[in-house]
Amino acid sequence: DGGITQSPKYLFRKEGQNVTLSCEQNLNHDAMYWYRQDPGQGLRLIYYSQIVNDFQKGDIAEGYSVSREKKESFPLTVTSAQKNPTAFYLCASSIGVRGTEAFFGQGTRLTVV
Amino acid sequence: QKEVEQDPGPLSVPEGAIVSLNCTYSNSAFQYFMWYRQYSRKGPELLMYTYSSGNKEDGRFTAQVDKSSKYISLFIRDSQPSDSATYLCAMSAQNYGQNFVFGPGTRLSVLP
Repeated sequence: DGGITQSPKYLFRKEGQNVTLSCEQNLNHDAMYWYRQDPGQGLRLIYYSQIVNDFQKGDIAEGYSVSREKKESFPLTVTSAQKNPTAFYLCASSIGVRGTEAFFGQGTRLTVV
Repeated sequence: QKEVEQDPGPLSVPEGAIVSLNCTYSNSAFQYFMWYRQYSRKGPELLMYTYSSGNKEDGRFTAQVDKSSKYISLFIRDSQPSDSATYLCAMSAQNYGQNFVFGPGTRLSVLP
């Protein structure tokens, strides 16, 4: 089955640690996105990538990093510089740049303990 | 003023009711409008999208856009308990994924 797989579903991080969230897609999509979702707020864009080996900052990139070494994979690292990392993280992809054709993964819930 | 606003709910309706979900926005340049359904602890799934003004119907769902009022709506007819979810609107001036602005979502409960 084609789709977007995010792992793990739940992740716990200690203060000061970096953690990496995985996002893999087998839809042959060119563009991939990372969003953060907090209660009472709309999804906010962290990073996006339109092609392999290229990515751009979104609205709230501080404290996060990404890589796009393969078309299928777009991992997100939450660094210790991110002051409030507890949130629900969503990965999405689209065949081209059109947002109306984007599909979302099932999300990773990150909690700082 | 936030760029996209939605009543967070929760909105509770009896099974079979017609549900109206709404978003207002401030940017008159927006012309691509999407509605997503998100079940608890899951990723959003696209229900419908419309371009510019007008209506679009898909089964029990109807999306309406009123650009003059900067107001969009999603109607659900014959609502079912399986429709219980959070509904997100998203919109953009251009159809580039990175440009879409999302509302905070409205939580809907359809009671059997």
